[in-house]
Amino acid sequence: GAGVSQSPSNKVTEKGKDVELRCDPISGHTALYWYRQSLGQGLEFLIYFQGNSAPDKSGLPSDRFSAERTGGSVSTLTIQRTQQEDSAVYLCASSFRGETQYFGPGTRLLVL
Amino acid sequence: QKEVEQDPGPLSVPEGAIVSLNCTYSNSAFQYFMWYRQYSRKGPELLMYTYSSGNKEDGRFTAQVDKSSKYISLFIRDSQPSDSATYLCAMVHTGANSKLTFGKGITLSVRP
Repeated sequence: GAGVSQSPSNKVTEKGKDVELRCDPISGHTALYWYRQSLGQGLEFLIYFQGNSAPDKSGLPSDRFSAERTGGSVSTLTIQRTQQEDSAVYLCASSFRGETQYFGPGTRLLVL
Repeated sequence: QKEVEQDPGPLSVPEGAIVSLNCTYSNSAFQYFMWYRQYSRKGPELLMYTYSSGNKEDGRFTAQVDKSSKYISLFIRDSQPSDSATYLCAMVHTGANSKLTFGKGITLSVRP
């Protein structure tokens, strides 16, 4: 079946603008994760959704970052008032009940 | 000190060489250990998964875990140009909602 998909593939924005990144997990996967991959920092956990439980937001770097998951499927990561240090690849992964995580191709965000 | 440290690389080897990739960790709560492979402009894909000390073999790949030394390794035998990619170690500790903690990754180039 289809893997994890993310859109857009690339996003260029100006400092101070808001951006929305989308993730479509594998059908039937109950868990969804967002990670950020940047030069020098590697891959870092941002947020985790599991079913109807409250999300684990412990990795979000500031209150400018938020995410939601509607209907237990699609998720949107929103970054408000973007800063240049937000430039990175944002990766989404999904799994069935916390088992093997399957990653999407990522969204490459560049903040000018 | 980061929770997971990975040899920084990059690493360049001739085709057919044996490659050894290593990570150390500081948190003894880590119980599950993974190696991911990431090709350029793609998401990470799971290569190996283990949870016990010792060796686990899959084809040309062997994952080794030493919990007493907090050290994990990935060995690649008879390396091929198609193995050229970034390799990331990742681990999970119990109670962590399955969120992965990654090493920074090492870029491997296998020369024909």
